[in-house]
Amino acid sequence: AQSVTQLDSQVPVFEEAPVELRCNYSSSVSVYLFWYVQYPNQGLQLLLKYLSGSTLVKGINGFEAEFNKSQTSFHLRKPSVHISDTAEYFCAVSGSNQFYFGTGTSLTVIP
Amino acid sequence: GAVVSQHPSWVICKSGTSVKIECRSLDFQATTMFWYRQFPKQSLMLMATSNEGSKATYEQGVEKDKFLINHASLTLSTLTVTSAHPEDSSFYICSALGPQGITAFFGQGTRLTVV
Repeated sequence: AQSVTQLDSQVPVFEEAPVELRCNYSSSVSVYLFWYVQYPNQGLQLLLKYLSGSTLVKGINGFEAEFNKSQTSFHLRKPSVHISDTAEYFCAVSGSNQFYFGTGTSLTVIP
Repeated sequence: GAVVSQHPSWVICKSGTSVKIECRSLDFQATTMFWYRQFPKQSLMLMATSNEGSKATYEQGVEKDKFLINHASLTLSTLTVTSAHPEDSSFYICSALGPQGITAFFGQGTRLTVV
């Protein structure tokens, strides 16, 4: 079985500062990893995904994530955040036609 | 590509009535679709997994007779909330596994308010 842990429920950060949102997963099989963003009253939008190959994955809006198999992590990073990045971020793992989400991290960018 | 459309985006209904929510994959065929429920400031709670042409698989604690799921075609899954009550008010989101069966693409969600 797979599971996802997002340790930080809320992350406040000043505008133009860097940010890292943490995600750890557990799985007994090979998995695919994802980060999604959710703006208020909207569905989820795919930010980036890791399927195979290079462990550093670049996504939309300047976000990137690094897959670390030994640490079973897939942390999301952005070197300089913008006010418009304020949203809920979900890490997810998939395998065997199932999707498992973390509890989400609320990112608040402070002007 | 890989667009999922969910309709309606917002609905208000009277207590005791039924509401149907549609989830369509617009430019791909989706063998597997998921239905989620989300409470304010919380994560997505998987309600059921829907596979085309077969009965949906419900998560523990989800009433299958209350939340009817139909996945009659490769591009459409529906969730019907039967005899809705105020406690069913929530944000419902569907997703579909994309063409390669790996990535999930989400609808825009449906805000259901039962009065």
